[in-house]
Amino acid sequence: AIRMTQSPSSFSASTGDRVTITCRASQGINSYLAWYQQKPGRAPNLLIYAASTLQSGVPSRFSGSGSGTDFTLTISCLQSEDFATYYCQQYYSYPRTFGQGTKVEFK
Amino acid sequence: EVQLVESGGGLVQPGGSLRLACAASGFTFSSYSMNWVRQAPGKGLEWVSYISSSSDTIYYADSVKGRFTISRDNAKNSLYLQMNSLRDEDTAVYYCARDANGDSDYWGQGTLVTVSS
Repeated sequence: AIRMTQSPSSFSASTGDRVTITCRASQGINSYLAWYQQKPGRAPNLLIYAASTLQSGVPSRFSGSGSGTDFTLTISCLQSEDFATYYCQQYYSYPRTFGQGTKVEFK
Repeated sequence: EVQLVESGGGLVQPGGSLRLACAASGFTFSSYSMNWVRQAPGKGLEWVSYISSSSDTIYYADSVKGRFTISRDNAKNSLYLQMNSLRDEDTAVYYCARDANGDSDYWGQGTLVTVSS
């Protein structure tokens, strides 16, 4: 199985900050990567697919980049509603695997 | 509006069985592959199973292979997960999710399965 490793696991930030989360795959996955946001008690919400394509309805402050093994999710200007946990997921092969999550907390 | 509504969760003893259902509406269910994803309390997301639109392709996570069975009824717009030989570590919220092109673009609200004696 392909292992997905996110960093950091958690961090504190303030509204207005530029935030970057990284995700590394244990082997190449082309651009078969998605990013999800999850808030407590809620289902995950798709933000980015194909590594860099913004899902419809997702604010443009979210962006994704990367291919192969290294990927990033960037929030250009953190808003209060963005404090949540973020997961990457590869869909290059089965079993599909998620990163362990990155929790963005309020500083 | 796309809606996915899971049901069937509850408390079950180790070794027991449970059948989850996911009712889909707001889209042409028969045209989409579907997934089950679970989340243990306080833990991350774990993909469980995939079924193609016509049920001809099915995959399972190693952790559930041989114990869980995914199925669907396109006439009833419903997805199912039959869970047998349940273990403590199967305790989780189970989500059904629509498969777009590998990513999951719509998710249900989840149903909690608790395996405990």
